[in-house]
Amino acid sequence: EMQLLESGGGLQQPGGSLRLSCTASGFTFSNYAMSWVRQAPGKGLEWVSGISGSGGHTSYADSVKGRLIISRDNSKNTLSLQMNSLRAEDTAVYYCAKDETSSQTMMVFDFDLWGQGTEVTVSS
Amino acid sequence: QLVLTQPPSASASLGASVNLTCTLSSGHSNYAIAWHQQRPKRGPRYLMKLNSDGAHSRGDGIPHRFSGSGSGAERHLTISSLQSEDEADYYCQTWGTDIPWVFGGGTRLTVL
Repeated sequence: EMQLLESGGGLQQPGGSLRLSCTASGFTFSNYAMSWVRQAPGKGLEWVSGISGSGGHTSYADSVKGRLIISRDNSKNTLSLQMNSLRAEDTAVYYCAKDETSSQTMMVFDFDLWGQGTEVTVSS
Repeated sequence: QLVLTQPPSASASLGASVNLTCTLSSGHSNYAIAWHQQRPKRGPRYLMKLNSDGAHSRGDGIPHRFSGSGSGAERHLTISSLQSEDEADYYCQTWGTDIPWVFGGGTRLTVL
């Protein structure tokens, strides 16, 4: 069974840092692009960042460029999101999501698997 | 700019059917979409992919009570034999070159 399990969320002060992780199982991790999608309290889904299966290509929403860094370790089936210079507006539940289309180089964003989420709160 | 429009709420009775709509903005009617379900306090769950010609493919384990239809700009998710567990937010989503962040605003379904 394919699964994604996020961890690393918590309470952090504005300007601080957090590192989120997503551990994948049940599929060949390196064959699929992955993304982080967040959901602020009471709001809808917002794509944050994506990375190709090989890790060679990344993409970011304008709201997080320069502050958040996506990476992956295919030997450990792990996706990460390094969150720096945190702002109150980064407060959200963060989900990792898997592309349905198999590719090591392309990011398609046709999500077919989601994790259960990890909550990030940025507050003083 | 590609925009997906969903009504904010819908309701239907237990055991009945409901039709949820997602409308693609002008000039984008040829894009495929996906439907995702989000139950309260849970992560999203992929339901199906729905192509512009109305053909759809369900995700693993998704009951046949969930079906997709529609062509052109208007796409539908129909849920038949409604169950209490179907009470959730439903999001449509599309994708394409340089537009990975396009989600609809979501429809909250209440099962009466």
